[in-house]
Amino acid sequence: QQQVKQSPQSLIVQKGGISIINCAYENTAFDYFPWYQQFPGKGPALLIAIRPDVSEKKEGRFTISFNKSAKQFSLHIMDSQPGDSATYFCAASSGETSGSRLTFGEGTQLTVNP
Amino acid sequence: KAGVTQTPRYLIKTRGQQVTLSCSPISGHRSVSWYQQTPGQGLQFLFEYFSETQRNKGNFPGRFSGRQFSNSRSEMNVSTLELGDSALYLCASSLVSRGLSYEQYFGPGTRLTVT
Repeated sequence: QQQVKQSPQSLIVQKGGISIINCAYENTAFDYFPWYQQFPGKGPALLIAIRPDVSEKKEGRFTISFNKSAKQFSLHIMDSQPGDSATYFCAASSGETSGSRLTFGEGTQLTVNP
Repeated sequence: KAGVTQTPRYLIKTRGQQVTLSCSPISGHRSVSWYQQTPGQGLQFLFEYFSETQRNKGNFPGRFSGRQFSNSRSEMNVSTLELGDSALYLCASSLVSRGLSYEQYFGPGTRLTVT
């Protein structure tokens, strides 16, 4: 019940296209859903996060869509650039210490072709 | 503001040895969490420390332990190393206000290789 399922495992898009990565969770106690970006040899970097009281959050080219009833959330990267090529992880946590114990998805390796 | 720092960045140890990894959180962040990242298991939560106390613990054997100092710096220790402990060990820090933790910021990790 603690799992977060992420898809696809890998994604190739053309420069300027839209990248979409999906995640599904089972634990209805989850109340914080961040996305992280990781480049080779680096630690994950927080991109954007959402809580279940909103259905969408946008920051620049990155948008999270959240569907509480379906227990799904997704990351949309608009106008994808070669510099966006990285591994993306969704995550979730719950409770008062909601930031402190993250359950991660399996990761999506995104390649943006020039 | 300086980010999360971890030392050492790379480490090679032999089976049966023990290892200590260090993490310095972002200034003002009092919560420090540790994660293990491997190709097979992905990112898995090890434990979290706040105010020098372990507040959360993941499903790892007792060979994995940690501590936090009064300046919020944290160390994790792995005893009796096994080949399967080879991984990237990541530390993350977060701000805590009124008992609530906020966004976690990760360090660059320590790459541990066990031979």
